[in-house]
Amino acid sequence: AQTVTQSQPEMSVQEAETVTLSCTYDTSENNYYLFWYKQPPSRQMILVIRQEAYKQQNATENRFSVNFQKAAKSFSLKISDSQLGDTAMYFCAFMKRSGQAGTALIFGKGTTLSVSS
Amino acid sequence: DADVTQTPRNRITKTGKRIMLECSQTKGHDRMYWYRQDPGLGLRLIYYSFDVKDINKGEISDGYSVSRQAQAKFSLSLESAIPNQTALYFCATSDVASGNNEQFFGPGTRLTVL
Repeated sequence: AQTVTQSQPEMSVQEAETVTLSCTYDTSENNYYLFWYKQPPSRQMILVIRQEAYKQQNATENRFSVNFQKAAKSFSLKISDSQLGDTAMYFCAFMKRSGQAGTALIFGKGTTLSVSS
Repeated sequence: DADVTQTPRNRITKTGKRIMLECSQTKGHDRMYWYRQDPGLGLRLIYYSFDVKDINKGEISDGYSVSRQAQAKFSLSLESAIPNQTALYFCATSDVASGNNEQFFGPGTRLTVL
């Protein structure tokens, strides 16, 4: 069975600074996807970034980037130039790949990020 | 209009009552999921459906049942609600044909069982 571990329940950062959220996972699968989702106080789940395991290049989306270390089963999220709107709970998630499709998501317990001015 | 909708958005009920949470989507996706979120536990999978005729149990299906009435509709039922089913419930959808496997979430239903 796959597991996802987020070891930082809470983090805080000042506006404009950089913060890194940690995620490790355990799997015997070779083909899978990894995701970071953001949940602001509105409780809506918003996809931040995704990574396909077969791609060595780390995914980036504007101020968000990941450090994907497949051998170490590590998938950290770096937020650059933090903004107040980044305040949210962040979930790391794993998805096994089945043929051309994925399956359901397995989530970590989340990291609450607070950005202050 | 939202692509994935959930009704109701909030519900308070009593122990022993039957409750149905509904999910509808206009995205044309074939796959639908129900997750439950508890504080400090993240989201956990209850049931998922890859098409109308395909229903699968997730990690925590005990005490729940589902119905996929159509491609666009996926309902979650609590036959006899109990207080530890108090949680935030999310419906999600995904599309095999898109190839990117992103799941799109509804706004959530906050359920309180007294």
